[in-house]
Amino acid sequence: AQRVTQPEKLLSVFKGAPVELKCNYSYSGSPELFWYVQYSRQRLQLLLRHISRESIKGFTADLNKGETSFHLKKPFAQEEDSAMYYCALARGFLQGAQKLVFGQGTRLTINP
Amino acid sequence: GAGVSQSPRYKVAKRGQDVALRCDPISGHVSLFWYQQALGQGPEFLTYFQNEAQLDKSGLPSDRFFAERPEGSVSTLKIQRTQQEDSAVYLCASSLGRRRGHNYGYTFGSGTRLTVV
Repeated sequence: AQRVTQPEKLLSVFKGAPVELKCNYSYSGSPELFWYVQYSRQRLQLLLRHISRESIKGFTADLNKGETSFHLKKPFAQEEDSAMYYCALARGFLQGAQKLVFGQGTRLTINP
Repeated sequence: GAGVSQSPRYKVAKRGQDVALRCDPISGHVSLFWYQQALGQGPEFLTYFQNEAQLDKSGLPSDRFFAERPEGSVSTLKIQRTQQEDSAVYLCASSLGRRRGHNYGYTFGSGTRLTVV
């Protein structure tokens, strides 16, 4: 069974400090990993995907298969980064179905 | 419209009442998903359609839950004889599907907040 764990429900850092939101997963195959973000009063939206190897809004995430982790990082936090962040896993294309398994989410608060 | 549209935004139902939640996906999106998000939790998968075919309904919590997408576009999630534990936000998401072996990201709607009293 697939499982995604986000150990921190709440994370608070000061503006300009580095941010790391942790995500660990459990899956025996080759997963696809995503980070979704939900800003206040907005819908859930895709932040980044591991296969894209991109940086969005200064955030990056590297898939570490050895540690089964996909932590989200940003070197310098900004106040507008305050939001709810969800890590999610989908089975890779060889395994078929595309449903996402979400973690419980981490509420990130950036203090001025 | 440009995004995934869900209606109603809010629904209060008396216990035992039947409800129907609607999702209008992005035009041309083949895949459509329903998720249930309880308070303080991440979204949990309910069911998945590819066009009009319901390919996975493993997440539906009971036979009181039923979803359809008869013409491969609009989808309706129906909950019969609602119970208090059904109170949650119901999210709909659509996607173009797959390309070059990888999933497209999904576009989520704003959700329907169902409160059963």
